[in-house]
Amino acid sequence: DGGITQSPKYLFRKEGQNVTLSCEQNLNHDAMYWYRQDPGQGLRLIYYSQIVNDFQKGDIAEGYSVSREKKESFPLTVTSAQKNPTAFYLCASSMGSGRGYEQFFGPGTRLTVL
Amino acid sequence: KQEVTQIPAALSVPEGENLVLNCSFTDSAIYNLQWFRQDPGKGLTSLLLIQSSQREQTSGRLNASLDKSSGRSTLYIAASQPGDSATYLCAPLRGSARQLTFGSGTQLTVLP
Repeated sequence: DGGITQSPKYLFRKEGQNVTLSCEQNLNHDAMYWYRQDPGQGLRLIYYSQIVNDFQKGDIAEGYSVSREKKESFPLTVTSAQKNPTAFYLCASSMGSGRGYEQFFGPGTRLTVL
Repeated sequence: KQEVTQIPAALSVPEGENLVLNCSFTDSAIYNLQWFRQDPGKGLTSLLLIQSSQREQTSGRLNASLDKSSGRSTLYIAASQPGDSATYLCAPLRGSARQLTFGSGTQLTVLP
């Protein structure tokens, strides 16, 4: 059953801690993306990767870091430098031109800072 | 910078009505446009993708149109059902990185 998985579903962080959100896809997609969603707002792009071992900053990359060592995995680390990390985090992937760059999303991780 | 506006922000209709959700964007140099559905606390489900060369795309009771030159897209839902209740998001895709820019969405409630 192909799809995108994110874990954990809920995550609680104490101030000053780094936490890592997992995103895995078995769709054989080249591109992967991380978005942040705040209540009542649209999604904002944090980081994206179009190919293994390469990634680019999105609109709100400060306080976040990523890696892309494997095609199927794109973990996001929320560092202590991120001032307001409480949000809903969504991972997406895309095949590329073969399907018009259509993006598919995972179920999300809700991060709360205590 | 691309900006996306969705009107109305919220909509409540009785079951069976046909309805239209509107999306406007400021930069017409887009590659395609996607419409998504989001249920509370869940991820996004892709509903329709319209290529920039297309004017319409249909899937079941859903029909999306795109007027790239005027920066507008509409999502038409026929014969609405309570199960259609969700937030609907539009997102044009642009740039060499194929980035989506999202609007704030239209929260739809279909009353039985």
